[in-house]
Amino acid sequence: SQQGEEDPQALSIQEGENATMNCSYKTSINNLQWYRQNSGRGLVHLILIRSNEREKHSGRLRVTLDTSKKSSSLLITASRAADTASYFCATDAMNRDDKIIFGKGTRLHILP
Amino acid sequence: DAGVTQSPTHLIKTRGQQVTLRCSPKSGHDTVSWYQQALGQGPQFIFQYYEEEERQRGNFPDRFSGHQFPNYSSELNVNALLLGDSALYLCASSTFGTGGNTEAFFGQGTRLTVV
Repeated sequence: SQQGEEDPQALSIQEGENATMNCSYKTSINNLQWYRQNSGRGLVHLILIRSNEREKHSGRLRVTLDTSKKSSSLLITASRAADTASYFCATDAMNRDDKIIFGKGTRLHILP
Repeated sequence: DAGVTQSPTHLIKTRGQQVTLRCSPKSGHDTVSWYQQALGQGPQFIFQYYEEEERQRGNFPDRFSGHQFPNYSSELNVNALLLGDSALYLCASSTFGTGGNTEAFFGQGTRLTVV
């Protein structure tokens, strides 16, 4: 079963614009992670934010976490063609059972 | 330092057949998790192996089984293949006990097509 759910399911923006994707989850978590997947290949880890953190930056990426609303957002600034990919949020569970559960993803397409 | 390697990269099987997929974890990792990703969907957790035992399992039938070897590599076996088993199968490696506290490293996946 899916823990997280990304919104929107698909997003097309012009190169240079900012892209924002949201993730909502159901149960309490220790950490939330964002991954990128290019065209049906393996997943690449982007950023991890802990439940006691509210915001985290990594290069052009900014992630926020609101545990009261059980939601997170991923902002990619100054988008590039190479950012075209699917983006997934993944959460663990408070019982620390060691598995991470993925949402259905947002398919981002950067238009030239 | 090799990352997570999976083999084969592509596979075509007939309904009813059996398939074995293989995964070698990243150096220093002892835990392997397997995921199934249908087209247009997110990865679904199948099971996780540590110390050669299945530690956790997702909502998958017994047709899906696995094994972990002393060198931490792992196999995923699927019996009596159905058309619906067509998917990308992903292997992730990590260190046991870290759970979601650290990133998981994924292989490039095995694309299984059942005809």
